[in-house]
Amino acid sequence: DAGVIQSPRHEVTEMGQEVTLRCKPISGHNSLFWYRQTMMRGLELLIYFNNNVPIDDSGMPEDRFSAKMPNASFSTLKIQPSEPRDSAVYFCASSTAGGNQPQHFGDGTRLSIL
Amino acid sequence: AQSVTQLGSHVSVSEGALVLLRCNYSSSVPPYLFWYVQYPNQGLQLLLKYTTGATLVKGINGFEAEFKKSETSFHLTKPSAHMSDAAEYFCAVSGAGGGNKLTFGTGTQLKVEL
Repeated sequence: DAGVIQSPRHEVTEMGQEVTLRCKPISGHNSLFWYRQTMMRGLELLIYFNNNVPIDDSGMPEDRFSAKMPNASFSTLKIQPSEPRDSAVYFCASSTAGGNQPQHFGDGTRLSIL
Repeated sequence: AQSVTQLGSHVSVSEGALVLLRCNYSSSVPPYLFWYVQYPNQGLQLLLKYTTGATLVKGINGFEAEFKKSETSFHLTKPSAHMSDAAEYFCAVSGAGGGNKLTFGTGTQLKVEL
């Protein structure tokens, strides 16, 4: 079975540019999560969706960050404009409903903003 | 509100020795508990989970964890460490009625020495 698929795996861009990260959740999963991981702050939940609807975006750092889930098989996380402090590994995870269900993680996108 | 505390950000063991990674949780509802492992340049992978029932849970790669309600703990153990166990380990909690949002600990980096 295909796992969570994230693209690109690596992204290097200059400050001020728009960055779009993509995620395809596991088929049949109705919850999707975006995380950011850095050495300084560890693993942070940015936003999560249930049935394509954003439920909790309290972890989104600021208005430069936005996330969408137009359908059950695709989500994007966009940063515009990007800043060097946004450099991190961004993970997408998906799960079925219920607190007893584990989240399945993609391999992440390593983002470097110069 | 839920929280997780992982004691020891770095643990070092000799190959063949017992692995013990500590996790304590706080939850106002019956908790669901998870251990994840992260290898370099990869996403988090589920090791094991406790939801209900038997308090001793066995996972992949020879790991197990015991849920102790009286101690609010969910420590991860493995009888004999292998070099391939070197990775970062995360404990996480969610709760009944709290949806499937996970609260992660700060992680423990396990080093295995010859």
